[in-house]
Amino acid sequence: QVQLVESGGGLVKPGGSLRLSCAASGFTFSDYYMSWIRQAPGKGLEWVSYISSSGSTIYYADSVKGRFTISRDNAKNSLYLQMNSLRAEDTAVYYCARDIGSPDDYWGQGTLVTVSS
Amino acid sequence: QSALTQPASVSGSPGQSITISCTGTSSDVGSYNLVSWYQQHPGKAPKLMIYEVSKRPSGVSNRFSGSKSGNTASLTISGLQAEDEADYYCCSYAGRHVVFGGGTKLTVL
Repeated sequence: QVQLVESGGGLVKPGGSLRLSCAASGFTFSDYYMSWIRQAPGKGLEWVSYISSSGSTIYYADSVKGRFTISRDNAKNSLYLQMNSLRAEDTAVYYCARDIGSPDDYWGQGTLVTVSS
Repeated sequence: QSALTQPASVSGSPGQSITISCTGTSSDVGSYNLVSWYQQHPGKAPKLMIYEVSKRPSGVSNRFSGSKSGNTASLTISGLQAEDEADYYCCSYAGRHVVFGGGTKLTVL
């Protein structure tokens, strides 16, 4: 069955860095575009970034552009989010998701990132 | 990249119908038939309920329907049931990015 399992979340100080990973299984990972979406505690969903199936097309939300980098390794069936210069407002549950807004839409259970001194 | 506008809350009694609106702009909702709706229960990941404005994924009840007019999309839930109580988010493709609505809390009275 389809599985997306995020990891790498935790507590980090403002200005610090963190790398999130998303391990995919149960489908042909290289066929799908992937996204990161986050949700601050008690708040709504916020799209963070998108990467095409080959990795050739990448988009970012203005709120993270220049600080976050999305990447993928199709040989390892993995999606990544490198987060630098973290701010308190980046505190959120980070979800990786497959092909959002399509019949193949699928989300992981999320990993919590807390930015605090 | 402003969030789409949704009412903060709606409510209805079991068996009734409710509609949640989602207002965007000519750069997102108005330009693309790529509006989707998600249901989220507390502590759970969002679940896709509607995609491409009005299409239902396999397994989603036909009590859920979607539509769009101009810059505003709508989600209608008919025959409300207790398990429909959740947060609902609209989402639209907008060219080089994706935008979500602020979310609507549905209470089943």
